Amino acid sequence: GENVEQHPSTLSVQEGDSAVIKCTYSDSASNYFPWYKQELGKRPQLIIDIRSNVGEKKDQRIAVTLNKTAKHFSLHITETQPEDSAVYFCAASWGYQKVTFGIGTKLQVIP
Amino acid sequence: DTGVSQDPRHKITKRGQNVTFRCDPISEHNRLYWYRQTLGQGPEFLTYFQNEAQLEKSRLLSDRFSAERPKGSFSTLEIQRTEQGDSAMYLCASSLGAGTGRETQYFGPGTRLLVL
Repeated sequence: GENVEQHPSTLSVQEGDSAVIKCTYSDSASNYFPWYKQELGKRPQLIIDIRSNVGEKKDQRIAVTLNKTAKHFSLHITETQPEDSAVYFCAASWGYQKVTFGIGTKLQVIP
Repeated sequence: DTGVSQDPRHKITKRGQNVTFRCDPISEHNRLYWYRQTLGQGPEFLTYFQNEAQLEKSRLLSDRFSAERPKGSFSTLEIQRTEQGDSAMYLCASSLGAGTGRETQYFGPGTRLLVL
């Protein structure tokens, strides 16, 4: 089955700096890669996703890149703000079915 | 609120008891998923339905776990003879189904289970 590895597990940045979270996946058939943000005690919420036919996608301060050959994908958050503090999960899916999540990255943005 | 809802939000039970959780998906969504999340981990897939058909079950879903979606709308997850290791957050998600733009899974608030 699919295995998603994510790092770092914790990340502290100064407000205004950029944050980068990296993930790798094992199943070359995976074709959909969502990223979720989970605040303490709340449900995971989709922040951005990318499909295997696209190499990069951007939405305001958030961007995701995908390297299918290396089976790597990354989340980039620019101009971080305190409200970006949360746990971020990368995930991979095939055939738009079950989603396999990474272990999560706890991001702390220091004002 | 037109999002995914789950009931109850919290459940405390004693080891050996049976518990049942309910999930109401977004109304037009025909796919429904159950995940389990323990502290410090990402959600782990348990099972999913397309309408009323249960299409896949994880190896994590022992024979003490059963899920149903009888009319293709709400779903229930039952855990029989609960064990302390079942303590976790049980998350439900729903999506429109296959196809570009339809696969986004929207999560409910979860049911937090504590087995004493």
